[in-house]
Formats: sequence, structure tokens, C-alpha cells
Amino acid sequence: EPEVTQTPSHQVTQMGQEVILRCVPISNHLYFYWYRQILGQKVEFLVSFYNNEISEKSEIFDDQFSVERPDGSNFTLKIRSTKLEDSAMYFCASTPGSLSGDTQYFGPGTRLTVL
Amino acid sequence: AQTVTQSQPEMSVQEAETVTLSCTYDTSESDYYLFWYKQPPSRQMILVIRQEAYKQQNATENRFSVNFQKAAKSFSLKISDSQLGDAAMYFCAYRSAWGGGSQGNLIFGKGTKLSVKP
Repeated sequence: EPEVTQTPSHQVTQMGQEVILRCVPISNHLYFYWYRQILGQKVEFLVSFYNNEISEKSEIFDDQFSVERPDGSNFTLKIRSTKLEDSAMYFCASTPGSLSGDTQYFGPGTRLTVL
Repeated sequence: AQTVTQSQPEMSVQEAETVTLSCTYDTSESDYYLFWYKQPPSRQMILVIRQEAYKQQNATENRFSVNFQKAAKSFSLKISDSQLGDAAMYFCAYRSAWGGGSQGNLIFGKGTKLSVKP
């Protein structure tokens, strides 16, 4: 069964450094999402992406964040200058088509630790 | 704005018994989708079950079923014949039916931690 994959599984970085989190959505999916889960808290929406552009973003997704789909398979989340409060689990998700009821399939997540 | 509330931070069930996890939501929309996701210690988010709001029939997936009460805005998850592998964090989530983009993102509750006793 196709899966969403994410790399790395764990990323440790120093405050102020740039990080890139990578996701490979399921191949025939068209809509992509990033979510964040700070330890012990609920999962929060960051951004959605369709047709090579951002569809919607939350207030969390400020100028420090960016997303792109560089090569038709990868979907990346970049944090330009990490802060301590960016430490969280980051989940990528994808869904097949334009129906909003399409199930979102999640990757295993990347645990980001900012020191 | 829509909100999802899970009022039970933790629940416990004996192996082979049945447990029900509660979820309520607030929305002014008439058409939407509801989901239960399971998050084991590995922290991967795994879809358990989904429900379309326009369907009156409650969704069922093997040992998992929901009690969807649209008027009450309630969406509880029942796990029958609980197994040790069911121990996890369970998240209830809402998604608007208005299409992609912001309407397409999931809104999660805070989760319920389920323990299964052998």
C-alpha cells in the first residue's frame, strides 16, 4: 500500500539555523499539507499546497516558513531561522483529489529539536 | 471558526472490553467530514474511521464504530474487544466540505490517551 514518507525522522539543530524537512507524498495525490504537533499538544495545521502554490496557511506559518515541491515528487518545509518554540513533530499529509472529504494520509513525522 | 473538543484526556479499558471515546464539535456548516486518528507511541497518525455528515448511518470498521449525532454535534468512537495494540492517543478531527485549501485542512481535538490493561 502506498505511503507518505518523511525524512529525516529526527532532526536536531541549533537555534537560528535553517532546516529543511522532506516529504514524499503518495504518487497520485494532488493536495499536500504540513501540520505541527508540539509535545503534549494537539496537531495544528500549518499550510496546504496545490498546483505548485500555497492554497492556505495558518497564522503559525509566518515568513520563517516556506514550502516547495522542487521536483514533482518531494514536498519540503523550510524553516529559515529556527527558534526554540519550533521544536515539535512535523507531519506531512496528502490527499488524492479535490474532494474535501478525501482522507488525508499522514507520514510518520519528523521530530525537530531546536537547541 | 470550527472547534473540536475531546473532554477525556485519559481513558482506560480492560483487554477484550469495550470503551467509548467522546468528541464534540462546533460548526455552523451543514456538510462536513469527521475523522478519528490513532497515534501510537511511534507518533505516526493513522486513520481509524471517517464519517460523512450527510450520511445518517454510523461508520464501522471492524472493531471500531462511531456514534454520530449530528444535531448534538457529537461523534464518539467505540472500540469493541479492546486489544493491547489499541493503546494510543486518539484524535478526533473535523474537515469542512467546502473544497480544498483552508476548508480542506483538518481541525483536531486535543486527544484522548487510551490505556489497555491486560
